[in-house]
Amino acid sequence: GAGVSQSPSNKVTEKGKDVELRCDPISGHTALYWYRQSLGQGLEFLIYFQGNSAPDKSGLPSDRFSAERTGGSVSTLTIQRTQQEDSAVYLCASSLAVAGGLHEQYFGPGTRLTVT
Amino acid sequence: RKEVEQDPGPFNVPEGATVAFNCTYSNSASQSFFWYRQDCRKEPKLLMSVYSSGNEDGRFTAQLNRASQYISLLIRDSKLSDSATYLCVVNMGTGGFKTIFGAGTRLFVKA
Repeated sequence: GAGVSQSPSNKVTEKGKDVELRCDPISGHTALYWYRQSLGQGLEFLIYFQGNSAPDKSGLPSDRFSAERTGGSVSTLTIQRTQQEDSAVYLCASSLAVAGGLHEQYFGPGTRLTVT
Repeated sequence: RKEVEQDPGPFNVPEGATVAFNCTYSNSASQSFFWYRQDCRKEPKLLMSVYSSGNEDGRFTAQLNRASQYISLLIRDSKLSDSATYLCVVNMGTGGFKTIFGAGTRLFVKA
């Protein structure tokens, strides 16, 4: 079946502009995660959505970052007034997240964001 | 102390070698554990889940030691195609299902 998809695959933007990154999770997956990975670094957790529960925003680095998940499916990560340090690959993952289950996450191909 | 710690490597091994990676985690309430593989400039992909009793998938064996709070991955008969970064992943299993990724261990398998 279809995996996690993300768009755009690459985004180049000027410092100070806003950007929106989109994630389509695997159908039926109730949990959705956003991560950020800078070149040569590990994954940095940003935000987590699970069903209708309030999202876990504990990883968002500043109030310039926000995310929504509409209808329990598609999610959009918005970065306002982008800065050069926002340049990274933004990865989305989804998980079935069944109580008592293992919660394996499946990743999309990522969006490579470059802020000039 | 980091919540999930791995030796960054790199591990440089010849084809056919056996190599082992360890990972330690700090939260004793952690409930599920995984190894992911990430190739250069690609997204992480699930390699295997780690069960309490240990589990094997072909050349790969994963072990969990809850008492000592560490996870291991053993790769036997290394192939060139095993060259990648191996990520240790711990899921807290709380209401938020918080997941922590280790920084990864780089493996280079050489002919």
